[in-house]
Amino acid sequence: DGGITQSPKYLFRKEGQNVTLSCEQNLNHDAMYWYRQDPGQGLRLIYYSQIVNDFQKGDIAEGYSVSREKKESFPLTVTSAQKNPTAFYLCASKTTVSGANVLTFGAGSRLTVL
Amino acid sequence: QQQVKQSPQSLIVQKGGISIINCAYENTAFDYFPWYQQFPGKGPALLIAIRPDVSEKKEGRFTISFNKSAKQFSLHIMDSQPGDSATYFCAASGGNAGGTSYGKLTFGQGTILTVHP
Repeated sequence: DGGITQSPKYLFRKEGQNVTLSCEQNLNHDAMYWYRQDPGQGLRLIYYSQIVNDFQKGDIAEGYSVSREKKESFPLTVTSAQKNPTAFYLCASKTTVSGANVLTFGAGSRLTVL
Repeated sequence: QQQVKQSPQSLIVQKGGISIINCAYENTAFDYFPWYQQFPGKGPALLIAIRPDVSEKKEGRFTISFNKSAKQFSLHIMDSQPGDSATYFCAASGGNAGGTSYGKLTFGQGTILTVHP
C-alpha cells in the first residue's frame, strides 16, 4: 500500500538532546512537508521541500532542521535550540488531483521532552 | 493576513443532528479551501474541498458552504454519527505566501467533534 511512514510513533527526549524523526513515502510525490500540531493551535508548517536537495523554511522553522537527499525521505531533526519541542509532528506529501493540491499525511510522531 | 480562524473549538452533537463548523479568512488571494478530518492517533485526511467560484459543495452527508463576500466558509455534517467523532480542520491555500502550486496550506485551529449515540 502506498503511503507515508513516520517513525518512531512515540519518542521521549531529555532537554538538550537532538532527536530525528523519520518520514518515508512510497507515493512518488515530489513535495513533502513537516507540520507541528499543538492543542488549540491547528497545524503549523515547519519546513517543506519541493524537490530533492531543496527545502524551504515554513512559519516556525526555528530550532528545527531537515534534509532531502532522496525523494522518498524527508527527516526532521528537533534540535536543543527548540524551546518547546513537546508536540505531535506530522509529515505529509503532496499530489495534485483535478488541479487541486491534496496532502497525504503520515500517522504522526509524538515527541515528549522530559 | 495568513490566518484562518476556526470555531468552535469543540462541539457536542447528538446522533442524527447537524454539526456545523465555521471558518473565516482574511487573505482574499486564497483560492482553495479544503477540510481535513483527523481521528485520534492518526494523521489528517482530506474530507472535502471547495474553490471560491462555487457557493456550495456536497459530498454525501458533508457540505461546504462558501461566502466569498464575507470571507467565510463552513462545514455541515448532516445526520451526524458517532463515527464522525474526530477533529476537523479547515484550511486555505493560495495567495502571496507561496501560491497554490506549493501546496502550502494555512490551517485553522481545529474543532473536536463528539457525536453522542
